[in-house]
Amino acid sequence: DIQMTQSPSSVSASVGDGVTITCRASQDIGTRLAWYQQKPGTAPKFLISSASSLQSGVPSRFSGSGSGTDFTLTINSLQPEDFATYYCQQAYSFPLTFGQGTRLEIK
Amino acid sequence: QMQLQESGPGLVKPSETLSLTCSVSGGSIRNTNYYWGWIRQTPGKGLEWIGNMYYTGSTYYNLSLKSRVTMSVDTSKNQFSLMLSSVTAADTAVYYCARVLLGTARYFYYYTDVWGRGTTVTVSS
Repeated sequence: DIQMTQSPSSVSASVGDGVTITCRASQDIGTRLAWYQQKPGTAPKFLISSASSLQSGVPSRFSGSGSGTDFTLTINSLQPEDFATYYCQQAYSFPLTFGQGTRLEIK
Repeated sequence: QMQLQESGPGLVKPSETLSLTCSVSGGSIRNTNYYWGWIRQTPGKGLEWIGNMYYTGSTYYNLSLKSRVTMSVDTSKNQFSLMLSSVTAADTAVYYCARVLLGTARYFYYYTDVWGRGTTVTVSS
C-alpha cells in the first residue's frame, strides 16, 4: 500500500495569512494526487486533482504543486471559510489511501 | 448535478452484518467514466477506502477488509450497496459512498470527486 504522510498535523493561522501543507507519498505517484477540504459534520470536498488542477468553483487562493513523492497545498490570504481539515489522497493505485489530515485552525 | 445519498441502519450489533445502500441521482450509474465506492472515517484511523466497483459488477476491495466486504450494484434502481460482515466496535464509523472519477487507459487515476453526506454506523449491543 502507498502510505501518505501529511505535515503538519495542525497549524494555526490568522485571516489574511498564507499557509502551506505538505504531503509525502511512500512511492512515486507522478502527479496522481488529490486534495480535499473537510469541515465538521460534512463530507470531504474535492479541491484539487492531478496535484495542481483546481476544481471548478475553488478559489484561486488555493494552489497545489509537486510530483513524484512530494506535494504541497498552499492557501494564500486565508479567509474565515478556509479553516477546516485538509487531506491528500493518492490516486495512483488501489487501495486508495489518504493522509492523516491537517487541521487548519484560527489563531 | 449528481448527488449520492447513503441509507441503512445506524446501529448494528456485534458479529452481525452492516448493510448500506447508496442512491445515485442526477446521472446514471452506468456511466463508463466512473467507479462507485465506499469510504469510512473514524477519529482514530482517519479516512479509509473500503472498495470500488464498476457498474458491470467488477469490484476492488481493500485487502484489509476483503474477507468481510461485499459490494453490489443495481443498475435498474441506480443504486449500489455495501455489506460488511462480522462487525465489531472497530467498524463504528461514518460511512460515505462516493463517485470515483477514472482516467484513461493511457493516463489512469482515481479521484473521489463526489461524496454522499455520510451516515454514522455504530456497532454496539
